[in-house]
Amino acid sequence: NAGVTQTPKFQVLKTGQSMTLQCAQDMNHEYMSWYRQDPGMGLRLIHYSVGAGITDQGEVPNGYNVSRSTTEDFPLRLLSAAPSQTSVYFCASSYRVTTGNGYTFGSGTRLTVV
Amino acid sequence: TQLLEQSPQFLSIQEGENLTVYCNSSSVFSSLQWYRQEPGEGPVLLVTVVTGGEVKKLKRLTFQFGDARKDSSLHITAAQPGDTGLYLCAGVGSNYKLTFGKGTLLTVNP
Repeated sequence: NAGVTQTPKFQVLKTGQSMTLQCAQDMNHEYMSWYRQDPGMGLRLIHYSVGAGITDQGEVPNGYNVSRSTTEDFPLRLLSAAPSQTSVYFCASSYRVTTGNGYTFGSGTRLTVV
Repeated sequence: TQLLEQSPQFLSIQEGENLTVYCNSSSVFSSLQWYRQEPGEGPVLLVTVVTGGEVKKLKRLTFQFGDARKDSSLHITAAQPGDTGLYLCAGVGSNYKLTFGKGTLLTVNP
């Protein structure tokens, strides 16, 4: 099925551990983004990419790295997990935001850092 | 940073009632999008409005983009329990980044 696939769906980490959240889309979308969703804070942009090889920071980038080596994949790396990174993470993609196309979201990764 | 304020934050109504959700900003957006999110899932796009003053209808849902492209509203007519969910507005701003409001949690009681 076409769409955005996120793995894993659930993850528990210990403080200081690192991990990579995977995101893949098969719609040949140019734009991909990572958001975190926290109660009372809404969806906040972590990093985004306008195409393969191009990434930029969003609103809350500290503690996270991204890369975009292919059009399809946009992994999010947590360098040294902290309890403040406990959240639900969503990956999203869009053909071209400039033409008013909306984003397609994955079903999310629920991360708990203890 | 471009901010979007949504109101109300929570809304609980009876089936058959009408409601309006507002999305306001001091910034101009090139387009504005509305999403609905259900528990445990990612947001799903409902509509995109691009032109100031634009009105779009999706069955019982009516979306309006303000003339100055700084605000939008979502009106639901004769709400049904299936309309229950978190409604999010999002604006496309500088560098094509999508900025979200905090959402309106709607509960429609049978």
